[in-house]
Amino acid sequence: DGGITQSPKYLFRKEGQNVTLSCEQNLNHDAMYWYRQDPGQGLRLIYYSQIVNDFQKGDIAEGYSVSREKKESFPLTVTSAQKNPTAFYLCASSMPSREQGPQHFGDGTRLSIL
Amino acid sequence: KNQVEQSPQSLIILEGKNCTLQCNYTVSPFSNLRWYKQDTGRGPVSLTIMTFSENTKSNGRYTATLDADTKQSSLHITASQLSDSASYICVVILMNTGFQKLVFGTGTRLLVSP
Repeated sequence: DGGITQSPKYLFRKEGQNVTLSCEQNLNHDAMYWYRQDPGQGLRLIYYSQIVNDFQKGDIAEGYSVSREKKESFPLTVTSAQKNPTAFYLCASSMPSREQGPQHFGDGTRLSIL
Repeated sequence: KNQVEQSPQSLIILEGKNCTLQCNYTVSPFSNLRWYKQDTGRGPVSLTIMTFSENTKSNGRYTATLDADTKQSSLHITASQLSDSASYICVVILMNTGFQKLVFGTGTRLLVSP
């Protein structure tokens, strides 16, 4: 079955440590996105990529970095510069924006601070 | 400011009963509106997509309505089941060239009680 796989499901970070969240999709989608979900708030966009080797900052990109070397993969690194990283991170993908199709989401990675 | 507000924040209903969730938005320019269902610890799953010209759209026991003049949408759930217990998120998509910009509501948490 086609879908989006995020790993790990749970992740713990020590102070000053960078961690990388994995996102892989086999839907052949061009566009991929990273969101952060906090209790009582709507999802907020961190980064997005519309094609391979290209990505753009979203609304809350500070303290995060991404890469898009393959169409299927869009890993997110939470750097030590992100002072409040505890959250539920969701990866999504979609067909090109002009087709207005829905975004498909993975099942998330919950990141906590040790 | 682009905003999506949902009400109520939470709701408890008895199994078999109907319920209606509300969504008001101030997003412009509007492209389309979606309702997502998010189970605890999982990613959101698309229920319906409505364009500017659509008033009603159904997906099984879920019926969404849209009034583009008053900028309101509702999601009606008929004959609720225990598996309907989840958060329901209203998402409005901005008309944006080359990029699918989503504005998320904070969700309504529904609990269906036996």
